[in-house]
Amino acid sequence: QSALTQPRSVSGSPGQSVTISCTGTSSDVGGYNYVSWYQQHPGKAPKLMIYDVSKRPSGVPDRFSGSKSGNTASLTISGLQAEDEADYYCCSYAGSYTPFGGGTKLTVL
Amino acid sequence: QVQLQESGPGLVKPSETLSLTCAVSGYSISSGYYWGWIRQPPGKGLEWIGSIYHSGSTYYNPSLKSRVTISVDTSKNQFSLKLSSVTAADTAVYYCAGQGIAVAGTPTAFDIWGQGTMVTVSS
Repeated sequence: QSALTQPRSVSGSPGQSVTISCTGTSSDVGGYNYVSWYQQHPGKAPKLMIYDVSKRPSGVPDRFSGSKSGNTASLTISGLQAEDEADYYCCSYAGSYTPFGGGTKLTVL
Repeated sequence: QVQLQESGPGLVKPSETLSLTCAVSGYSISSGYYWGWIRQPPGKGLEWIGSIYHSGSTYYNPSLKSRVTISVDTSKNQFSLKLSSVTAADTAVYYCAGQGIAVAGTPTAFDIWGQGTMVTVSS
């Protein structure tokens, strides 16, 4: 099994929206509604931002939203803020296997 | 407040076995999470290693399965990772994490993370 596919980098200006994609297969992203997204700042542990495709844990701003279509999941961040600059990883249950995406570096211009 | 804390040697020799423990505080390890290990080589992405339920049921990354053992000690409220025959490619920050469980019993998202511990494989 290979990791889920994410763009290596995305960027946006403060106040804009960006979308990060996560492409898998029918065996992982497309087969289950258990996609999660994590934010990681340099030197820090990852933080859960989205689970079960589109649910937000308590304390995560509603500027963060998730969706899925077929074998591709997406994380959208609206109203970009400087503190959103970080690495983002998707993850999906895949039947006794839990692959992560390769990660996307978000730059806030 | 649930907290996870990794512990173990920061330096392991090639061909030896890497051993780490994750102590869980503020929550009973038997109360309904999967407990997992994830690693991150320097400058690279996250890689799931494997997860365990408090009953002892495990599932592992197929690419590491032959070298990985994850165990749980409910009496000490902790779980452990052993990775055998290590090489320089196993140098990474190792995180332990709590993984939620869906209604159907499927492990889902990692919503609790330890701070991570750096393990270097070198002679």
